[in-house]
Amino acid sequence: AQSVAQPEDQVNVAEGNPLTVKCTYSVSGNPYLFWYVQYPNRGLQFLLKYITGDNLVKGSYGFEAEFNKSQTSFHLKKPSALVSDSALYFCAVRDSRVGSYIPTFGRGTSLIVHP
Amino acid sequence: DAMVIQNPRYQVTQFGKPVTLSCSQTLNHNVMYWYQQKSSQAPKLLFHYYDKDFNNEADTPDNFQSRRPNTSFCFLDIRSPGLGDAAMYLCATSRRTSGRVETQYFGPGTRLLVL
Repeated sequence: AQSVAQPEDQVNVAEGNPLTVKCTYSVSGNPYLFWYVQYPNRGLQFLLKYITGDNLVKGSYGFEAEFNKSQTSFHLKKPSALVSDSALYFCAVRDSRVGSYIPTFGRGTSLIVHP
Repeated sequence: DAMVIQNPRYQVTQFGKPVTLSCSQTLNHNVMYWYQQKSSQAPKLLFHYYDKDFNNEADTPDNFQSRRPNTSFCFLDIRSPGLGDAAMYLCATSRRTSGRVETQYFGPGTRLLVL
């Protein structure tokens, strides 16, 4: 079984400050981890993914995420937030085992960046 | 450049009147998914096609059906929409091959309103 938790419904941050959106996961095998962003009335846009290798993954729009196996976490980060980063962010996990290809999504975290 | 296209973007239907949502893709991906998303919640997988093989989620209502006449197109049919079916419907695609990690690509979604 696989699951993902996004413990915060909403994250508030001032423009220019660093932001973190939290995600923890549970899988039986090794995880494949994804972050997506959703703007109002739009579909989900892929930001980045972790497969293997470096624990720090860099993605679109200046976002990065750090894979921490011991803490089973994959937090999304950005050094300096922009007002335009305000959106809904989804973390997703998939088990790396052959035959498993359907990801499980977290419930989403609303990021609000204040001017 | 649009890769996953959904039409229409907004659909209004009447209670009990059948409605069809469409999705097309230019990525030549062999897996297509339909998700239902309500009010900033996590997308809920309804069903997916792996090539021509149809996979229904256990809790998807019988009211929802799907067709995939070819690789590029996939349709979501709602036979008798109820007020509770009002939601954003997201189509996604991915490529499934052995040994590769498949990122899902989402369309912009169709927002369904049931009157």
